[in-house]
Amino acid sequence: DADVTQTPRNRITKTGKRIMLECSQTKGHDRMYWYRQDPGLGLRLIYYSFDVKDINKGEISDGYSVSRQAQAKFSLSLESAIPNQTALYFCATSDLGTSGSYNEQFFGPGTRLTVL
Amino acid sequence: GQQLNQSPQSMFIQEGEDVSMNCTSSSIFNTWLWYKQDPGEGPVLLIALYKAGELTSNGRLTAQFGITRKDSFLNISASIPSDVGIYFCAGQDLPSGTYKYIFGTGTRLKVLA
Repeated sequence: DADVTQTPRNRITKTGKRIMLECSQTKGHDRMYWYRQDPGLGLRLIYYSFDVKDINKGEISDGYSVSRQAQAKFSLSLESAIPNQTALYFCATSDLGTSGSYNEQFFGPGTRLTVL
Repeated sequence: GQQLNQSPQSMFIQEGEDVSMNCTSSSIFNTWLWYKQDPGEGPVLLIALYKAGELTSNGRLTAQFGITRKDSFLNISASIPSDVGIYFCAGQDLPSGTYKYIFGTGTRLKVLA
């Protein structure tokens, strides 16, 4: 089974709809992240969380919100989706401790979101 | 914001050839990571580098952390068709603290059999 899972894998929605993307991990990592990927722009950080009580904005947080329901779960919401939020969304995790490995991020398979 | 330039953007190579790609930063990084992304999948970590000057191999892949801490390169030797994909570098921005990863825009590799 995959260590980092995302649901749904694909979603088509309409402008103005509320959308929630889910991420779950079985790696036991404290840190979780949401990224957005657009062609030619690489990965850009939306939000990140160091533990259940910690939520931080990334470089492109406008129009998004997150919820860290448990150590293993981190959800991304689009309160009112707009077409320029059409993109590939990735969840990632990383470990807090262990010298030499705590900087490595592990990615989920991605959610392809299309906003019409 | 922090900029991370990755080149080339794309490349076509013949099977068996060696490949080289690099990333440069406008400021110092304390960690460099190299990822590969296959179509429809998330990026998968290939190599992680933690010290300036460090040279690390993973099979046919070799990556180095530049001495200036502002660059890194990835080499793939004797390429094969399954090397096709997008390769991303990522750096952890030292002045910004321990959380922020900056990603390059990717190098799209196509291998001609």
